Amino acid sequence: QQQVKQSPQSLIVQKGGISIINCAYENTAFDYFPWYQQFPGKGPALLIAIRPDVSEKKEGRFTISFNKSAKQFSLHIMDSQPGDSATYFCAASSNAGKSTFGDGTTLTVKP
Amino acid sequence: DGGITQSPKYLFRKEGQNVTLSCEQNLNHDAMYWYRQDPGQGLRLIYYSQIVNDFQKGDIAEGYSVSREKKESFPLTVTSAQKNPTAFYLCASMRQGRYTGELFFGEGSRLTVL
Repeated sequence: QQQVKQSPQSLIVQKGGISIINCAYENTAFDYFPWYQQFPGKGPALLIAIRPDVSEKKEGRFTISFNKSAKQFSLHIMDSQPGDSATYFCAASSNAGKSTFGDGTTLTVKP
Repeated sequence: DGGITQSPKYLFRKEGQNVTLSCEQNLNHDAMYWYRQDPGQGLRLIYYSQIVNDFQKGDIAEGYSVSREKKESFPLTVTSAQKNPTAFYLCASMRQGRYTGELFFGEGSRLTVL
């Protein structure tokens, strides 16, 4: 069964700190690795995504690091803000159009 | 504005009743998906459709049914056969083609079985 394992389950960071969430996958057929951000009572929204042909992608305060050989990828949130408090999901999808999600990380950024 | 519209936002159902959740998109996306979200768990795929009049079971299809008669619409019926239907249901769409993969989600429908 295709799996994406995400850690930690919850994370508390002080304002201005760095938040790091990790994911590992098993299926080498995956070719798209997005991160979604979800606020309570809302649907997830794409935050940032990466293809396996690059090792890092940065958009503003958000960076994805990708290690193809280890089948791992991580989200780094620099200068974390209280407004970043949300649940973050990593996912992996193949060209077949199906996405597999991690179990989510609840991030709390304390002022 | 383009997007995914789900309705109703909240729904209460008695045991033994079927209920249908609506999902409409105006993004002109070919693929549509239904996910179930439970506390502490990731999103689990119920059904998906990559083209009109065709759909496939996801990982947890038992107790659910769907139809795809129009490109814009992908309703989900939660039947009385679903043993634990209380959950947050999310509809999503995706543009087909190579190197796509971004899912666009609706706001969700929260179903509670009384």
